[in-house]
Amino acid sequence: EVQLVESGGGLVQPGGSLRLSCAASGFTFSSYWMSWVRQAPGKGLEWVANIKQDGSEKYSVDSVKGRFTISRDNAKNSLYLQMNSLRAEDTAMYYCARGRRNGGDSRGHYYYYMDVWGKGTTVTVSS
Amino acid sequence: DIQMTQSPSSLSASVGDRLTITCRASQSISTYLNWYQQKPGKAPKLLIYAASSLQSGVSSRFSGSGSGTDFTLTISSLQPEDFATYYCQQSYITPQTFGQGTKVEIK
Repeated sequence: EVQLVESGGGLVQPGGSLRLSCAASGFTFSSYWMSWVRQAPGKGLEWVANIKQDGSEKYSVDSVKGRFTISRDNAKNSLYLQMNSLRAEDTAMYYCARGRRNGGDSRGHYYYYMDVWGKGTTVTVSS
Repeated sequence: DIQMTQSPSSLSASVGDRLTITCRASQSISTYLNWYQQKPGKAPKLLIYAASSLQSGVSSRFSGSGSGTDFTLTISSLQPEDFATYYCQQSYITPQTFGQGTKVEIK
């Protein structure tokens, strides 16, 4: 069974750090892009970051640049999100998702969609 | 950033209804548009990718269309399990952005 299981969430004070993990199983982890998506309580979805199969390309939303780092360990079938300098507005459910990137055009645009999602892990930033 | 605007934000419908949800991009995104379904307390589920391609295992009552700036998700005959929130998402330019969601409730 294809599965993603997130862990590492919790309560942290503003300015603190957390490291989220996502354990993948049931598919060849090293063959896929991976993503983090978050959802603040009662709000919509927000894409956070993507990473290429070999980790050579990483992209993230501006609001987390310089604070969050996406990484992966293909030997351990695991995806990570290191979150530093946490703020109240980072409070959310964080989902790990498998990405599919294909097609595209001559200007570097690619189709990217997330076809497998974990159940999420909750991050609460509060004093 | 590309802004994605869905309409309506919420709607009430009955089982068996034909439903259309609209997503508009703030600039042309060709067909780089995906649709997801999310039920309360659950993770999102991919329904449609590349504007009109049905994800494997998803019911054929779901369909997507559009290109450029205007897109639609259609449910041909609403079923009880379809009551959920639906999100569009563009992948044309980073950052990928989602619409604000359309909540479909039972009338």
